[in-house]
Amino acid sequence: GQNIDQPTEMTATEGAIVQINCTYQTSGFNGLFWYQQHAGEAPTFLSYNVLDGLEEKGRFSSFLSRSKGYSYLLLKELQMKDSASYLCAVCSGNTPLVFGKGTRLSVIA
Amino acid sequence: NAGVTQTPKFRILKIGQSMTLQCTQDMNHNYMYWYRQDPGMGLKLIYYSVGAGITDKGEVPNGYNVSRSTTEDFPLRLELAAPSQTSVYFCASREDGGNRPQHFGDGTRLSIL
Repeated sequence: GQNIDQPTEMTATEGAIVQINCTYQTSGFNGLFWYQQHAGEAPTFLSYNVLDGLEEKGRFSSFLSRSKGYSYLLLKELQMKDSASYLCAVCSGNTPLVFGKGTRLSVIA
Repeated sequence: NAGVTQTPKFRILKIGQSMTLQCTQDMNHNYMYWYRQDPGMGLKLIYYSVGAGITDKGEVPNGYNVSRSTTEDFPLRLELAAPSQTSVYFCASREDGGNRPQHFGDGTRLSIL
């Protein structure tokens, strides 16, 4: 089976940095995705990691440690528009993506 | 390109009614997916397809059916609507290759009363 864990909710201040963690247990591993989902909208792709290390994309970075079954999404210079849910999803073997329940981030002034 | 288009955007059904949620994509993607998302929950896979004529069950297929007669279209059918099927339904597609991201439609908000 597969299990993906993320914190349910987080709150951070505008301009700050926030780290959203994701741990997973899967049989086989082919990569990990992060998606952003604003309330009432569809998820949109943020990042993909398949090798250990940090992938940086502007204000957003994603880190992966395959040996630890661990990833995080780092958001810098937080803006109010970053208030959204962040979904971690794991790809393993030939099975479809499995999504975590998501972390709802609230950015406050 | 329109991407992934879902219709309708909203629908209210009575218990026992049936309906089809439409999904079409214009990106020539072989892989297509149907998810449901309940409040505060992640996405649960209902059915998926790896190409025209091929469909497979996901995590929560009971009460649903799909077909994939063309690359573009992947309709989801509810035969006997039940209150437990009240949810937001998302269709998604992606290119071949395991590292390709999924592209989502805007969703269908379905209430069964």
